[in-house]
Amino acid sequence: AQSVAQPEDQVNVAEGNPLTVKCTYSVSGNPYLFWYVQYPNRGLQFLLKYITGDNLVKGSYGFEAEFNKSQTSFHLKKPSALVSDSALYFCAVRDRVGFNKFYFGSGTKLNVKP
Amino acid sequence: NAGVTQTPKFQVLKTGQSMTLQCAQDMNHEYMSWYRQDPGMGLRLIHYSVGAGITDQGEVPNGYNVSRSTTEDFPLRLLSAAPSQTSVYFCASSYASGRLNEQFFGPGTRLTVL
Repeated sequence: AQSVAQPEDQVNVAEGNPLTVKCTYSVSGNPYLFWYVQYPNRGLQFLLKYITGDNLVKGSYGFEAEFNKSQTSFHLKKPSALVSDSALYFCAVRDRVGFNKFYFGSGTKLNVKP
Repeated sequence: NAGVTQTPKFQVLKTGQSMTLQCAQDMNHEYMSWYRQDPGMGLRLIHYSVGAGITDQGEVPNGYNVSRSTTEDFPLRLLSAAPSQTSVYFCASSYASGRLNEQFFGPGTRLTVL
């Protein structure tokens, strides 16, 4: 079965510092991996995805994620955090066949302090 | 495009009452799905549809019904509300899996069952 794990409930960083939000996955075969962000009282917004190719994926708002097959990880990163990046972040893996079924992690709350 | 819209935004029900959560999309997406979001549990798939007239169960389907009579609409029905169904409900849509596209989410419905 497909699954993702986000080991940190919360990540705190200072504005201007680099940030990392961790995600590990468990899938059969090659994974399709996604990151979404949720701002308070809003729906989820797509940030980036890894399907195949370059292990470093660039996405919206300056975010990027590194796919590491040997460590089964897909960590979300940003070189310089902004206070406005404070939100809930979800990692997700998608079924490879059939319906576009997503399996979401439990979410990581990112707090960026001025 | 309005994207994915959901109504109502907030709802309070008494145990045993029934109601329908509305979801509509104007992107001509084949796939639509319903998730519930509970603290510390991420998003869990309730039901999904791969096209008009075709629906199937997700991870947590009990107590919910769906139908898909048009491409645009995918309502979620609570047959007899229970306090355990207190949650935030999100509708999502996407193109067919062959395009490996991300899902687009609505703004959510916050449901409280007393």
